[in-house]
Amino acid sequence: GAVVSQHPSRVICKSGTSVKIECRSLDFQATTMFWYRQFPKQSLMLMATSNEGSKATYEQGVEKDKFLINHASLTLSTLTVTSAHPEDSSFYICSARVSTYGYTFGSGTRLTVV
Amino acid sequence: KNEVEQSPQNLTAQEGEFITINCSYSVGISALHWLQQHPGGGIVSLFMLSSGKKKHGRLIATINIQEKHSSLHITASHPRDSAVYICAADGGATNKLIFGTGTLLAVQP
Repeated sequence: GAVVSQHPSRVICKSGTSVKIECRSLDFQATTMFWYRQFPKQSLMLMATSNEGSKATYEQGVEKDKFLINHASLTLSTLTVTSAHPEDSSFYICSARVSTYGYTFGSGTRLTVV
Repeated sequence: KNEVEQSPQNLTAQEGEFITINCSYSVGISALHWLQQHPGGGIVSLFMLSSGKKKHGRLIATINIQEKHSSLHITASHPRDSAVYICAADGGATNKLIFGTGTLLAVQP
């Protein structure tokens, strides 16, 4: 149980375009979703915390207008990378807290901006 | 100094060996998590610990709250155990995880 489905798993986009990443909680309600970014050989970096029905809380240094987060329902949170540039190329992963055993993670999205 | 330190950073073992990965933290926690990240990037939650010891199959996780230290053990290691193992401190009230830098484990046949 407690599965978070993340799509797409891989995306290549042109510089200047926007990319939307979705995370859906399949068998539970995720009131809070955490969005992370990971560079090669580095640990996860928290970008923002999204809460259903309210504005996301962004970590220091993360551009709110560039990384748009929406959490419109208890089962869906989205991250949109706007006007993507090559330096936005990274691995993005979402996570939700599950009371029984901690956290469950999406499978991640590898974004390449060309 | 990182709030969550892991050692070793890299570990190569022969199939069948007993493996230990260590995690020390300097923050107050409500729980300590052990995660496994496969080469494709997916992350699986292995354990959530607040005290004592937990076992799941060949994996054992222990925590010493007084010493702020946790260990992950793998018995009878297998090549399929090859992955990055990450410990993460759960602050509880902040709802945020503080991650260690990870341990890259390679188990050779």
